[in-house]
Amino acid sequence: NAGVTQTPKFQVLKTGQSMTLQCAQDMNHEYMSWYRQDPGMGLRLIHYSVGAGITDQGEVPNGYNVSRSTTEDFPLRLLSAAPSQTSVYFCASSYGVGPGNEQFFGPGTRLTVL
Amino acid sequence: QQPVQSPQAVILREGEDAVINCSSSKALYSVHWYRQKHGEAPVFLMILLKGGEQKGHEKISASFNEKKQQSSLYLTASQLSYSGTYFCGTAHTSNNDMRFGAGTRLTVKP
Repeated sequence: NAGVTQTPKFQVLKTGQSMTLQCAQDMNHEYMSWYRQDPGMGLRLIHYSVGAGITDQGEVPNGYNVSRSTTEDFPLRLLSAAPSQTSVYFCASSYGVGPGNEQFFGPGTRLTVL
Repeated sequence: QQPVQSPQAVILREGEDAVINCSSSKALYSVHWYRQKHGEAPVFLMILLKGGEQKGHEKISASFNEKKQQSSLYLTASQLSYSGTYFCGTAHTSNNDMRFGAGTRLTVKP
């Protein structure tokens, strides 16, 4: 199993550009989520999904869109990048739905918006 | 609302013990603990659930005080490999809306 994979590893954007961060898992996990990590602020939940076709907002959803057309994939779209979105983005998945299940994190995408 | 972790940082010598605390202002449903090494992804350590259930690695111990809305992670006989930043994540209901603390940076020196 590859686990949770993310692409790209690094990305530089100009303000106003759009892009999609890719996340895939091969563990047949129901739950997938996106976090951003900024220095001194820990991980903040952006969006999450409890299964194909179902998504919901987390703590900081503004400026981001998600979709879940398959169990395996959960892409994160930045609609119009802003410098405030400079961060490290982690995708995570867990087997079951609910906070009693450990989350497996991908390696992260480091995004810089100029 | 983010949980509050303490201390923010701690430096140990190999073999020493440490306790990392996580406090919430709201009643807790579950607490997660993860360790992250520099430039890497967070790695699961332990889950503590309301009602007393725990899931995690055998060498890691933690407590969950529902009444005080707190959890503590106990690191005993520390090794160099324990170095990293420890995060607690808290959930207040059975949904998946988890909040993480700002982290505790642990450094273990020889």
